[in-house]
Amino acid sequence: NAGVMQNPRHLVRRRGQEARLRCSPMKGHSHVYWYRQLPEEGLKFMVYLQKENIIDESGMPKERFSAEFPKEGPSILRIQQVVRGDSAAYFCASSLGWGTGEAFFGQGTRLTVV
Amino acid sequence: KQEVTQIPAALSVPEGENLVLNCSFTDSAIYNLQWFRQDPGKGLTSLLLIQSSQREQTSGRLNASLDKSSGRSTLYIAASQPGDSATYLCAELSVTSGSRLTFGEGTQLTVNP
Repeated sequence: NAGVMQNPRHLVRRRGQEARLRCSPMKGHSHVYWYRQLPEEGLKFMVYLQKENIIDESGMPKERFSAEFPKEGPSILRIQQVVRGDSAAYFCASSLGWGTGEAFFGQGTRLTVV
Repeated sequence: KQEVTQIPAALSVPEGENLVLNCSFTDSAIYNLQWFRQDPGKGLTSLLLIQSSQREQTSGRLNASLDKSSGRSTLYIAASQPGDSATYLCAELSVTSGSRLTFGEGTQLTVNP
């Protein structure tokens, strides 16, 4: 049973480009969460999704960031017109259920904006 | 505002020592508390999950406790080894937070051979 798979592991983008981060949850998990870890800071919640639904996006920046979890395929975190301040590690987690389920994290995507 | 605090921020111990990492949280309406390990440049590895109805969980040399009344959790590591060197994170899932885990800043542990 593969764990949470994220790709790419490392992503370099120039300012103004788009970044697309992908996450495949653990088999059987339908709840996906995205977190961001800025340099020298803790992990901060961004968004919680279930298949085809955004449940909680209260941690997402208001502009340039979007997320989806389609019926088929991985969850995508999309950052448009990236800026240097977007450089961070982006982690995806999945769980079986909401509220009481153990969260399992992927290895993360390290985004560097140059 | 919900907060999770970890003390100390960094800890350096000789190999073989028993140690305790501390985590405190302000929201007592807790679903569960989870301890993770993060190695440099890597993802998070789940170590232990304590449900709100439980007092402690054990896995090998690790023991985690939960005291809801005082808003505290501890991670006890017995007979520490250099391979235990990593950053340890605690995270709370609460009624207030709904779907999100609220993380502490972590304790960076170094076990010296």
